[in-house]
Amino acid sequence: GQNIDQPTEMTATEGAIVQINCTYQTSGFNGLFWYQQHAGEAPTFLSYNVLDGLEEKGRFSSFLSRSKGYSYLLLKELQMKDSASYLCAVRDTGGFKTIFGAGTRLFVKA
Amino acid sequence: DTEVTQTPKHLVMGMTNKKSLKCEQHMGHRAMYWYKQKAKKPPELMFVYSYEKLSINESVPSRFSPECPNSSLLNLHLHALQPEDSALYLCASSQERDLNYGYTFGSGTRLTVV
Repeated sequence: GQNIDQPTEMTATEGAIVQINCTYQTSGFNGLFWYQQHAGEAPTFLSYNVLDGLEEKGRFSSFLSRSKGYSYLLLKELQMKDSASYLCAVRDTGGFKTIFGAGTRLFVKA
Repeated sequence: DTEVTQTPKHLVMGMTNKKSLKCEQHMGHRAMYWYKQKAKKPPELMFVYSYEKLSINESVPSRFSPECPNSSLLNLHLHALQPEDSALYLCASSQERDLNYGYTFGSGTRLTVV
């Protein structure tokens, strides 16, 4: 079966660092995505990991451990506009099936 | 052009109506997707097209009928929907092999079935 787990909500302070974890058990694995989604808007792509290790893109970094079925998204120098839902998504092998986790709602406070 | 365009943005339809949702992209992406998203829930995959051929149907009821007329267009035909089908319908596209840019999502069609 397919299972992707993320914390439901997190709160952090402006300027701080926050780590959003994602664990997954899927029948196949062909990469893991992180998306940001503001309320009422479409998801926007943040990162893609297919090999173990850390990928850094400006204030955002994403880490993957395939053996542990684990990923995290690290957000640095938090800004108020980072308040959004963060979706972890896993792509299956052999096709185009990408399954989304329930998302983590991040609240950034002043 | 780096966008996926969906029309209409909002749609209210009766349970006996027939309507269509449209999606268009000009990024040369050969994979296109329909997702359904209910409030405070993640997007759920409905259909995937690859090179204009249907490659995945996630056991979606037949009242939803996808169509891919060409590599830039994706339609979702709706007929005899139920109130529980009210949701945000998202179209997305991607390159088939290079996923380093992820999926590009359209802004969605917010559908209300009355």
